[in-house]
Amino acid sequence: DVKVTQSSRYLVKRTGEKVFLECVQDMDHENMFWYRQDPGLGLRLIYFSYDVKMKEKGDIPEGYSVSREKKERFSLILESASTNQTSMYLCASSFSEYNEQFFGPGTRLTVL
Amino acid sequence: QKEVEQNSGPLSVPEGAIASLNCTYSDRVSQSFFWYRQYSGKSPELIMSIYSNGDKEDGRFTAQLNKASQYVSLLIRDSQPSDSATYLCAVNSGLTSGTYKYIFGTGTRLKVLA
Repeated sequence: DVKVTQSSRYLVKRTGEKVFLECVQDMDHENMFWYRQDPGLGLRLIYFSYDVKMKEKGDIPEGYSVSREKKERFSLILESASTNQTSMYLCASSFSEYNEQFFGPGTRLTVL
Repeated sequence: QKEVEQNSGPLSVPEGAIASLNCTYSDRVSQSFFWYRQYSGKSPELIMSIYSNGDKEDGRFTAQLNKASQYVSLLIRDSQPSDSATYLCAVNSGLTSGTYKYIFGTGTRLKVLA
C-alpha cells in the first residue's frame, strides 16, 4: 500500500513564525503535491514537484515555498505565518502526472 | 463555469439503497478520473480510478465514465451508514506547459440513513 506521512496532525503557531510541514512517501513516486483545504473552497493546490529539486507553483503559492531535496520528501514552508494561513494542509503523491494521487493524513495548522 | 462540478448535497439515501453521485467536467482533453471519499476531519481516500469510457466495478462501487457527455458518476450499492461522507470527484488532464491540471470538485455530501 502507498503510504504518505506528514510530520504533524495538529500544529499551533504564532503570527510571524516560520513553519515547516514535512511530507514523506514510501512508494518511489515522482510527483508530490501540497494542498490546503478550507470549508467552502475545496482543495487548492499550493505547489507541486515532478522531480527532485523541481517545483512548480500551483493556484495559491503566495506566502509559501517548498523544498524537495530527496525524492521521498517534500516540505512546505510558511516563511512568516499569518492568520489567514490557518487551514488543513494535505500532502499527496502520484507515480506520474496521469495517475491517481494518494494523500497523507493532513496537518491542521492554526496560526494565532 | 467551474472546471469540475458536483452537487454539494446533502444526498440522503436509506440504508441498503443505491447512492448515485455525479460529476461533470469542462476540459475535453481530460484523461483520467478519480473518486475520493473524505470523512469529516480526515484526508481524502481514493476509492475508484477510471480511464476509459464505460463502467468499472469494485465491490459495492461502480464508476461510470462518458467522455462524449463529459460526466463521470459513482454508484454505491447497498449503502451503509459508514458510507456517509463527502465524495470528491477529481479530473486529470496531466501536465501541460508546466501547468498541472488535476482538478477536484468541491464534493457531494452523502448521508445514509439507518
